[in-house]
Amino acid sequence: DTGVSQNPRHKITKRGQNVTFRCDPISEHNRLYWYRQTLGQGPEFLTYFQNEAQLEKSRLLSDRFSAERPKGSFSTLEIQRTEQGDSAMYLCASSPKGQSQETQYFGPGTRLLVL
Amino acid sequence: QKEVEQNSGPLSVPEGAIASLNCTYSDRGSQSFFWYRQYSGKSPELIMSIYSNGDKEDGRFTAQLNKASQYVSLLIRDSQPSDSATYLCAAQIYNFNKFYFGSGTKLNVKP
Repeated sequence: DTGVSQNPRHKITKRGQNVTFRCDPISEHNRLYWYRQTLGQGPEFLTYFQNEAQLEKSRLLSDRFSAERPKGSFSTLEIQRTEQGDSAMYLCASSPKGQSQETQYFGPGTRLLVL
Repeated sequence: QKEVEQNSGPLSVPEGAIASLNCTYSDRGSQSFFWYRQYSGKSPELIMSIYSNGDKEDGRFTAQLNKASQYVSLLIRDSQPSDSATYLCAAQIYNFNKFYFGSGTKLNVKP
């Protein structure tokens, strides 16, 4: 399977715990995006990487959220001191290099439930 | 005001009919527009992209863009029950590499 993969697919945690999600983009896609989606809403942009550089970060992303893409391949999204309001689907998408109008390919998502 | 607005629906059409989905956007800097289909509990799947004013057809799907009116639409001809899903409209502000999604329109195609 050469699509975008995300792990874990589901995560249940207690309030106050830290969680980390991983995204493996399509091979050779140099652009990677993280989104958060809650029930009945569209995906909300969180952050964007071009290779290993984090070029955009939403104001929605509080200090408890951090994302990395250390070698320009896979990416991790960490949420510290989780809150119940963090419960959502976290989606990763990648797009290939060189397209002036980007087409994003989404992974299956990680569903987070904070108790 | 949200960057991309969609009617949440649900929009119900009989099988074989044309489904018309609409979207408006607020930022005139938006340059590229996308329609995604999302089944319940699944991730969004790209249906079509459109960048220029006018119509773009792909099989049963036609996307329409009117930049002067800041309006994007998706027509689905010969609707099938398998088309029942939430349809997300997205706008890209290219220079900022950001994508803004609407909240989606739920489509029900009745057999």
